[in-house]
Amino acid sequence: DAKTTQPNSMESNEEEPVHLPCNHSTISGTDYIHWYRQLPSQGPEYVIHGLTSNVNNRMASLAIAEDRKSSTLILHRATLRDAAVYYCILRSTTSGTYKYIFGTGTRLKVLA
Amino acid sequence: NAGVMQNPRHLVRRRGQEARLRCSPMKGHSHVYWYRQLPEEGLKFMVYLQKENIIDESGMPKERFSAEFPKEGPSILRIQQVVRGDSAAYFCASSEQGAGNEQFFGPGTRLTVL
Repeated sequence: DAKTTQPNSMESNEEEPVHLPCNHSTISGTDYIHWYRQLPSQGPEYVIHGLTSNVNNRMASLAIAEDRKSSTLILHRATLRDAAVYYCILRSTTSGTYKYIFGTGTRLKVLA
Repeated sequence: NAGVMQNPRHLVRRRGQEARLRCSPMKGHSHVYWYRQLPEEGLKFMVYLQKENIIDESGMPKERFSAEFPKEGPSILRIQQVVRGDSAAYFCASSEQGAGNEQFFGPGTRLTVL
């Protein structure tokens, strides 16, 4: 299974943009890149996903490198409620299974 | 529209007892996934089920663990003869279909084995 690598932690000031990187150098052509975040004592919450093209939604943007070996989650204006562990996930579609392969995640701290 | 429901939220068992964790997927979802999260770690895939079928159980320990998703009722993750190493948060997720649909996670069941 392909793996993801993320920094253990990052800090950001409130109201500033945040760029959360993820490396996935062994990604296969059919693996989707998903981002979830997890607040303390809660289940993961969907943020965004993509395959090859950059994606935007109301929560964030996802920039995917041309070779797909890395991606960046962009929070345009961090708020205190964005403090969470952010997981970059590859969704494997081989052999008819759609399991998520979680990385270790980046703990984002937002400073007021 | 209720989200994914899991119960109980907290479960305490003594070594050797059985643990049963329940997951009710979102309405209209027929795909269920179970993940386990040890303290300070990411989630690890355990099993993927559709109604009455186990599709992928590559993440399930070979012994003591089983899962089902019957035609009626919730999905059940069953752990027999629990040991201290089974203490973890167990998350269930559901999706409408397999490919192309994100998984929606429940709040988790926190199992503590004494």
